[in-house]
Amino acid sequence: GESVGLHLPTLSVQEGDNSIINCAYSNSASDYFIWYKQESGKGPQFIIDIRSNMDKRQGQRVTVLLNKTVKHLSLQIAATQPGDSAVYFCAERFSGGYNKLIFGAGTRLAVHP
Amino acid sequence: EPEVTQTPSHQVTQMGQEVILRCVPISNHLYFYWYRQILGQKVEFLVSFYNNEISEKSEIFDDQFSVERPDGSNFTLKIRSTKLEDSAMYFCASITPWGTSGGAWKNIQYFGAGTRLSVL
Repeated sequence: GESVGLHLPTLSVQEGDNSIINCAYSNSASDYFIWYKQESGKGPQFIIDIRSNMDKRQGQRVTVLLNKTVKHLSLQIAATQPGDSAVYFCAERFSGGYNKLIFGAGTRLAVHP
Repeated sequence: EPEVTQTPSHQVTQMGQEVILRCVPISNHLYFYWYRQILGQKVEFLVSFYNNEISEKSEIFDDQFSVERPDGSNFTLKIRSTKLEDSAMYFCASITPWGTSGGAWKNIQYFGAGTRLSVL
């Protein structure tokens, strides 16, 4: 069915540590995945994306890993900062250029000084 | 940086009333979306819109909902007779067209800040 879920609803880390946020997806036909960050009272903000023909993609301080064998997606944030505190959503898109995004439940990241 | 803008930021209405939520997508984008997020829950797809017609809609998007692009810049979501369970954050999103940025496929949906709808 259509479901994207998250293993950890809340993640607390110390400033400077690396964070790993996990996500499981269920649709083998999904060909594109995105991580969004949502701060309180704001809309989802794009962080990084990855296509299904890749297994890793790096951005500035963030890395997304895709394991299609087990339908698992993760977001790694290096040297986590207080400004990284937010809810993080993974989303999958079924194959096709403009299809809807199916969002996961979200993980709250709390960064402590 | 171009952004999706939504108005109002907060809309309070009585049950049974009609509301119109407004969005101005990024100017060169061609596909538009509405999503909603009930407090504390995940973001849910409502509808996608392209070339002045609905491309896809979810089960949530029943006959009480409609979308319109009345001019070249605005994209609206109308709820004809609001219910208590329509209370949520409503997000508009838009997507850049194929072939931008040196031919690279750009598929990122950019979201607005949302309209909080409170139905009393």
